[in-house]
Amino acid sequence: AQTVTQSQPEMSVQEAETVTLSCTYDTSESDYYLFWYKQPPSRQMILVIRQEAYKQQNATENRFSVNFQKAAKSFSLKISDSQLGDAAMYFCAYGSTGANSKLTFGKGITLSVRP
Amino acid sequence: DSGVTQTPKHLITATGQRVTLRCSPRSGDLSVYWYQQSLDQGLQFLIQYYNGEERAKGNILERFSAQQFPDLHSELNLSSLELGDSALYFCASSVESVRETQYFGPGTRLLVL
Repeated sequence: AQTVTQSQPEMSVQEAETVTLSCTYDTSESDYYLFWYKQPPSRQMILVIRQEAYKQQNATENRFSVNFQKAAKSFSLKISDSQLGDAAMYFCAYGSTGANSKLTFGKGITLSVRP
Repeated sequence: DSGVTQTPKHLITATGQRVTLRCSPRSGDLSVYWYQQSLDQGLQFLIQYYNGEERAKGNILERFSAQQFPDLHSELNLSSLELGDSALYFCASSVESVRETQYFGPGTRLLVL
């Protein structure tokens, strides 16, 4: 079974600075997808970024980028120029494409942004 | 707004009761997924339906069941409710599978007293 580990329960960043959120996963599959979701206080789950495992190029979405290290099974999220609105819980998720296709989530990390 | 709708937003009920949560996927999406988010278990996948058929199953209790109707909306039925079933229940949809992004609804907050 796949597992997703987010070892840091909380992080804090100064507004306009850069922060990196860590995520590791365990799998024996070769074809899979990785996601970062943001959950603000409203509890809505919002997609931040996705990465296909077969792509070597790291995904980027505006101020958000990932560092995908397939061999190390690591998928970290970098947030540049942090804004107050970035304060939220962030979940790393693994998407299995096998017979029991599903998303497996990590426990999440709470990011606070200091003004 | 993700385009996925869920009703009701909040639900308060008593132990032993049965409730039904409803989800309408984004236009064009054929897959619906149900997730449970609780403090102790985190976000857990419950079940997936694709075009009316069950496709994948996660940690769904036998007291829980789901279905997807011909118009593609889905219902999650929770019966013989226990205090521990109190959680936020999310529905998500995608075109077909995890290969595409899943878009989440706003969730239904269930409180069992």
